[in-house]
Amino acid sequence: GQNIDQPTEMTATEGAIVQINCTYQTSGFNGLFWYQQHAGEAPTFLSYNVLDGLEEKGRFSSFLSRSKGYSYLLLKELQMKDSASYLCAVRDRSNYQLIWGAGTKLIIKP
Amino acid sequence: SQTIHQWPATLVQPVGSPLSLECTVEGTSNPNLYWYRQAAGRGLQLLFYSVGIGQISSEVPQNLSASRPQDRQFILSSKKLLLSDSGFYLCAFFSRDRGETEAFFGQGTRLTVV
Repeated sequence: GQNIDQPTEMTATEGAIVQINCTYQTSGFNGLFWYQQHAGEAPTFLSYNVLDGLEEKGRFSSFLSRSKGYSYLLLKELQMKDSASYLCAVRDRSNYQLIWGAGTKLIIKP
Repeated sequence: SQTIHQWPATLVQPVGSPLSLECTVEGTSNPNLYWYRQAAGRGLQLLFYSVGIGQISSEVPQNLSASRPQDRQFILSSKKLLLSDSGFYLCAFFSRDRGETEAFFGQGTRLTVV
């Protein structure tokens, strides 16, 4: 079957580092996406991984291990504006559709 | 540049009334278009997707329908809304120019059925 798991909620301190994990099961993997979604707004694209390894983009990095069905999003130098939900999504190779996790609500405290 | 427009942003409709949400895309041709619904605190549920004019695939049997009358226009409709249709509706497309590695979302429509 197809399934994506990520923690429901995490709390971190401004200026710190936080890692949001995502594990997935899919019959055919064709890429993993991370999106940021502020309350009441549409998701915005953060990263895309299709090969194993780390992709770095400014304060945000995303890691993928296809053999383990595992990814994480790493946020450095946290800012209050990073308070949002972070959605992990996997594209299924058979029908090219995205399977979405429920999202991780990240709360940043001063 | 590629953009996507979705309206209205918010909508309050009585049970049993019709619905029409519209989404248009600019800056690209023949996009794959998607309608999603998101319940509070949940992930995105795929409702419909379209690979071309008049081509609609439904993922979840329900009270809703979709149409694609033009290449860059995608419409979500209902003849009679139910309370359970309340939610946050999002239109999206994948950018072919970027090898379909990035999905662009409309601003979303917050639908409340009362």
